[in-house]
Amino acid sequence: NAGVMQNPRHLVRRRGQEARLRCSPMKGHSHVYWYRQLPEEGLKFMVYLQKENIIDESGMPKERFSAEFPKEGPSILRIQQVVRGDSAAYFCASSPQTSSMSLAEQYFGPGTRLTVT
Amino acid sequence: ILNVEQSPQSLHVQEGDSTNFTCSFPSSNFYALHWYRWETAKSPEALFVMTLNGDEKKKGRISATLNTKEGYSYLYIKGSQPEDSATYLCAQAGNQFYFGTGTSLTVIP
Repeated sequence: NAGVMQNPRHLVRRRGQEARLRCSPMKGHSHVYWYRQLPEEGLKFMVYLQKENIIDESGMPKERFSAEFPKEGPSILRIQQVVRGDSAAYFCASSPQTSSMSLAEQYFGPGTRLTVT
Repeated sequence: ILNVEQSPQSLHVQEGDSTNFTCSFPSSNFYALHWYRWETAKSPEALFVMTLNGDEKKKGRISATLNTKEGYSYLYIKGSQPEDSATYLCAQAGNQFYFGTGTSLTVIP
């Protein structure tokens, strides 16, 4: 019974490169959430997706960041032209279909630690 | 942006002691409150989802209460054990989740 998988666990990128973070939800889960944890800060919501749909991206920076959850395959968080301030831990979580997102119990992955040099 | 606050930031207790900590959140437009436990080097793990004013949930030695009118929730741990050492997060849920910064609990054997 595999949990939420994230890869890579650690990613080092130079300034200006692209970072692609992958999240495979738990089996049977159709919703994915991405969070960012900056050093010394709490988890900050970024985006909420269903298969092939972005439901809420109000926490995503307007530029350089994008997310997708295709019909097949993992959800991808993509950061273009990374800067030092993007260094953080990025967590994804998944949940099953529920009547209300606010009631959904989220299952978290182990996170990807991005370091921008 | 909702401001969810947790106190204290960190806590050290002796094994066997009972303890509690607080999550404060805006009481307007409340939908649900979630509690998570986050052990070092692991992922956050869901403890409770609470929706109704006066709700009380229990899982083993851990319980939580909810007051939506005044905007707070308490998490209680009875007879703390070293394996309870973790960061306890609360999150107010609406159209997105707003997490507090957590209470870091260390239980000293």
